[in-house]
Amino acid sequence: DVVMTQSPLSLPVTLGQPASISCRSSQSLVYSDGNTYLNWFQQRPGQPPRRLIYKVSNRDSGVPDRFSGSGSGTDFALRISRVEAEDVGVYYCMQGTHWPRAFGQGTRLEIK
Amino acid sequence: EVQLVESGGGLVKPGGSLRLSCAASGFTFSSYSMNWVRQAPGKGLEWVSSISSSSSYIYYADSVKGRFTISRDNAKNSLYLQMNSLRAEDTAVYYCARESLGDRYGMDVWGQGTTVTVSS
Repeated sequence: DVVMTQSPLSLPVTLGQPASISCRSSQSLVYSDGNTYLNWFQQRPGQPPRRLIYKVSNRDSGVPDRFSGSGSGTDFALRISRVEAEDVGVYYCMQGTHWPRAFGQGTRLEIK
Repeated sequence: EVQLVESGGGLVKPGGSLRLSCAASGFTFSSYSMNWVRQAPGKGLEWVSSISSSSSYIYYADSVKGRFTISRDNAKNSLYLQMNSLRAEDTAVYYCARESLGDRYGMDVWGQGTTVTVSS
């Protein structure tokens, strides 16, 4: 099974500063159709998860452009260009290439 | 408005059974694969099971295989999770989530969750 490993697990950030979360997979996430199915979710306190990014770098509707995704193969990243107070929460990567689906452990972003 | 509403959670003894339901509205339910994802108290997200739009394909996490059964009724716009032989480690909030069209793009709509507690 594919294992998704995120780092760091805790991320204290000053308001207005950038933040970056790494996500690594134990196997390549390139599917037979040539696409890479790596998705990012945000879970604010007390809320269900919300998808931010799909297929590595595509932002969902309504997601601010300060969020961006990048990467390839087994190495991916979520970047926030300038952290705002509403970004507090836990961020998860999830691979959709292989069965079973797998989430990373989560990265807790907090304001310093 | 696109909406998923879970129900059926509660307190159950180890070894017991529970059936979760998810009522979908605001979209053509029969066109989408669906998922159950759970979150134990204070823990991360764990994918539990997926079912394709016509129930042709069904997948389970190893942790629930043989104990849980996912199903759907497209005429009733409903998703189900039958949970048998429940264990303490099944205690979690269970989310119903729609799979984005294309099937590998992750879950684009989530319910608020229903809480399952397995305890004697």
